[in-house]
Amino acid sequence: DAKTTQPNSMESNEEEPVHLPCNHSTISGTDYIHWYRQLPSQGPEYVIHGLTSNVNNRMASLAIAEDRKSSTLILHRATLRDAAVYYCILRKIAQKLVFGQGTRLTINP
Amino acid sequence: EADIYQTPRYLVIGTGKKITLECSQTMGHDKMYWYQQDPGMELHLIHYSYGVNSTEKGDLSSESTVSRIRTEHFPLTLESARPSHTSQYLCASSELISGGSYNEQFFGPGTRLTVL
Repeated sequence: DAKTTQPNSMESNEEEPVHLPCNHSTISGTDYIHWYRQLPSQGPEYVIHGLTSNVNNRMASLAIAEDRKSSTLILHRATLRDAAVYYCILRKIAQKLVFGQGTRLTINP
Repeated sequence: EADIYQTPRYLVIGTGKKITLECSQTMGHDKMYWYQQDPGMELHLIHYSYGVNSTEKGDLSSESTVSRIRTEHFPLTLESARPSHTSQYLCASSELISGGSYNEQFFGPGTRLTVL
């Protein structure tokens, strides 16, 4: 299975954009890139997913490199509520989600 | 807003007791999952179900068992709790969409279990 590599932690300031990187150099053509996040004392929640093209939704944007070996989750204007562990996950259709360590994002007021 | 519920949220129990962690979802989702997560660590899939009367073991071996008698309900049971079972247990569900793939997973708030 293709693996993802994320920084263990990142820090940003409130109301500034945040770019969370994810490397997946062994990604295959059928792997979708999923992002989930887990707020303190809660279950994970879906953020966004994509295959080849950049994606936008109300929570975030997903920028996928042209060779698909990396992607970036973009929070356009971070709030204190965005402090969480962010998981970048590769997943084929109908396969299970496999969570890694993720990136712990801290937002400073 | 996801409609998936877990009870109890917190449970402290003595060794040897039988416990059942409840998980219910009102979204009519086919697939349901149980994950185990120790503090600060990764989530590990321990059980999943494709639908009624379907149960499968996950990636992490677990002494717990599950059942799926109704679509909306996916309880997890430990016949004899031990301190090594102390962990957070998270339930999730997802919907089968056209083409045979599953949509995003919705997670419950989790049950934090402590076995003394």
